[in-house]
Amino acid sequence: KNQVEQSPQSLIILEGKNCTLQCNYTVSPFSNLRWYKQDTGRGPVSLTIMTFSENTKSNGRYTATLDADTKQSSLHITASQLSDSASYICVVSANSGGYQKVTFGIGTKLQVIP
Amino acid sequence: GAGVSQSPSNKVTEKGKDVELRCDPISGHTALYWYRQSLGQGLEFLIYFQGNSAPDKSGLPSDRFSAERTGGSVSTLTIQRTQQEDSAVYLCASSLGGLAGGSGRSFNYNEQFFGPGTRLTVL
Repeated sequence: KNQVEQSPQSLIILEGKNCTLQCNYTVSPFSNLRWYKQDTGRGPVSLTIMTFSENTKSNGRYTATLDADTKQSSLHITASQLSDSASYICVVSANSGGYQKVTFGIGTKLQVIP
Repeated sequence: GAGVSQSPSNKVTEKGKDVELRCDPISGHTALYWYRQSLGQGLEFLIYFQGNSAPDKSGLPSDRFSAERTGGSVSTLTIQRTQQEDSAVYLCASSLGGLAGGSGRSFNYNEQFFGPGTRLTVL
């Protein structure tokens, strides 16, 4: 069982609409959580990083939330654009003996249609 | 500045052949990672280089896989006697620091910057 679970696996929305992607994790002890955007045929690019004490962080139309108690994060995309079509990957880092173990989710594939 | 680059972007090979995939990390980044991304799967960690330390090879799926990093910069991932199940996108990433998350360091210290990947198809 993956320690970082993302939902939905795929999503289709109309241009201009909002959407929310979910990430649940069991990785511990928690260090930080990143959301990456991966365009087709490209490598992932970091959107946000959140630490234990942060509840929300925005990057333009992207807003990430974190509930460290329930070990859940969400990525909210506002007023979607066609260029938002991509896979969104949740990545959780855990501290272990002074080193960080990084665990990737499978990702949510978002398609924005006109 | 230039990002992480990988070559080739696409590689088609016959089963049983050897392949070499190249990664040029961002200049000054001491850490380098190789991942494999199969269709519909998450990124699978393969190997991690940090400075002059011995690499973490714990993710390599078999002894057909090996990697080296010369001069602390360019890295080559070699797959010997390729099999069809090796078909995937191979991603390389580099970071300013490694996976050591010691206190006092910025959490962006180990942000990984990814290359575009090499799509490997084994026929």
